[in-house]
Amino acid sequence: AQSVSQHNHHVILSEAASLELGCNYSYGGTVNLFWYVQYPGQHLQLLLKYFSGDPLVKGIKGFEAEFIKSKFSFNLRKPSVQWSDTAEYFCAVNGNSGYALNFGKGTSLLVTP
Amino acid sequence: EAQVTQNPRYLITVTGKKLTVTCSQNMNHEYMSWYRQDPGLGLRQIYYSMNVEVTDKGDVPEGYKVSRKEKRNFPLILESPSPNQTSLYFCASSSNLRRYTEAFFGQGTRLTVV
Repeated sequence: AQSVSQHNHHVILSEAASLELGCNYSYGGTVNLFWYVQYPGQHLQLLLKYFSGDPLVKGIKGFEAEFIKSKFSFNLRKPSVQWSDTAEYFCAVNGNSGYALNFGKGTSLLVTP
Repeated sequence: EAQVTQNPRYLITVTGKKLTVTCSQNMNHEYMSWYRQDPGLGLRQIYYSMNVEVTDKGDVPEGYKVSRKEKRNFPLILESPSPNQTSLYFCASSSNLRRYTEAFFGQGTRLTVV
């Protein structure tokens, strides 16, 4: 069965600090990879996605992620976080042969002024 | 506007009283799914549907039922709710996860069973 691991459950950063959130998955076949963000009290919104091609993908609000196939990883990065980035971040994986979108347990990010 | 609409947004109910949470999407999506979100556990899939009249169990289906009589609607039914079903529920839809499209989520339904 597929599983998704997010290494950091809670992250606290100061504004302008750089961010990297780890995501590893266990699945041997072709995968589609996603990062979703959930702002307080809101629904999940797509930050970025990877299906194929350039392993470095850029998403909204200055976020990017890099797919490293050999490491089964899809880490999320942002060079300089803002207070408005305070949210919960979820990595999700869909194996190309399945219908399930499997989520990690999420990382809660708090950005302090 | 493309959206996934869930109702109600908030619900408090008593143990054993049947309830239905509705989900509707206006994007003509084939695939719809229900998730529950619990602290420290992330999102777990309850049921999903690949198209009308085609549904299947996700990771945590016990205590839930679904139906897909129309393409746009995918209600979640709790026949006899219990306190361990207190959670935040999300409905999602996608044109087809196997064709490289992302899932769109509803606003969520916060359910409390007392």
